[in-house]
Amino acid sequence: GAVVSQHPSWVICKSGTSVKIECRSLDFQATTMFWYRQFPKQSLMLMATSNEGSKATYEQGVEKDKFLINHASLTLSTLTVTSAHPEDSSFYICSAIRGLAGSEQFFGPGTRLTVL
Amino acid sequence: QKEVEQDPGPLSVPEGAIVSLNCTYSNSAFQYFMWYRQYSRKGPELLMYTYSSGNKEDGRFTAQVDKSSKYISLFIRDSQPSDSATYLCAMSLGYGQNFVFGPGTRLSVLP
Repeated sequence: GAVVSQHPSWVICKSGTSVKIECRSLDFQATTMFWYRQFPKQSLMLMATSNEGSKATYEQGVEKDKFLINHASLTLSTLTVTSAHPEDSSFYICSAIRGLAGSEQFFGPGTRLTVL
Repeated sequence: QKEVEQDPGPLSVPEGAIVSLNCTYSNSAFQYFMWYRQYSRKGPELLMYTYSSGNKEDGRFTAQVDKSSKYISLFIRDSQPSDSATYLCAMSLGYGQNFVFGPGTRLSVLP
C-alpha cells in the first residue's frame, strides 16, 4: 500500500509554544490531505481538509488561527499548533488521498502531542 | 441519528473464529466504503475498500456492501490474536470528499 509519514511521532512542549507537524506522502502525489484528531478510546475527528495550492477548509468548531495548515506541495502538508495549551494534547493523524477516483485514503502513523 | 453507526464492542472471540463487523449508515449517496484497522497508539491502516454494492475478498478478509439496506460488513476468517485491534468503517461521497467514520469496534481475539 501507499506510505504516508508523519514527523515527529511524539512531541512534548511547554504551554504557549508552537508545534509543527509534517505529513508526507512518500510514493504518490496527494492533492488532498486531511488532518484528524483522536482522543483516547474515541474515533477520529476531522479537523480540516488540506488542498494543495489553496487554503484549508476547517470543520466547524476548529480554530483556524490556532491550527494553521499549509499544503505547500503535492507531497507535503503541515499542521502548526500555535500557542499550545494542555487541552491541545492529543493524537493528531493526517491522511492523503491517492488515485484519480479519490477512493483510497492512507493514514500517517500519527503524532502524539503532549503540552505541559 | 448519527450518519454512520457501529457497535463499539468490545467484541471478544476465540482464536480461529469467524468475526463479523458491521456498520449502518443513513446517507444513501455514499459510494465508497472502507474498513480500517487501528492498533493502539498507531494510525489507521486501510484493510479493504469497495465501490458501490457487492463483495470483495482479500485473504482472510471479506467486505460486503448492501446499499439497499445501507449496511456494510467485514468478515474475518480464522481470526488470530494479531487481529486484536479497533476496526473502523468509513464511507465517502466521492472523489476528494471527506470520509465519514464510524466510532470503531474494539476486537479481542483470545488465544
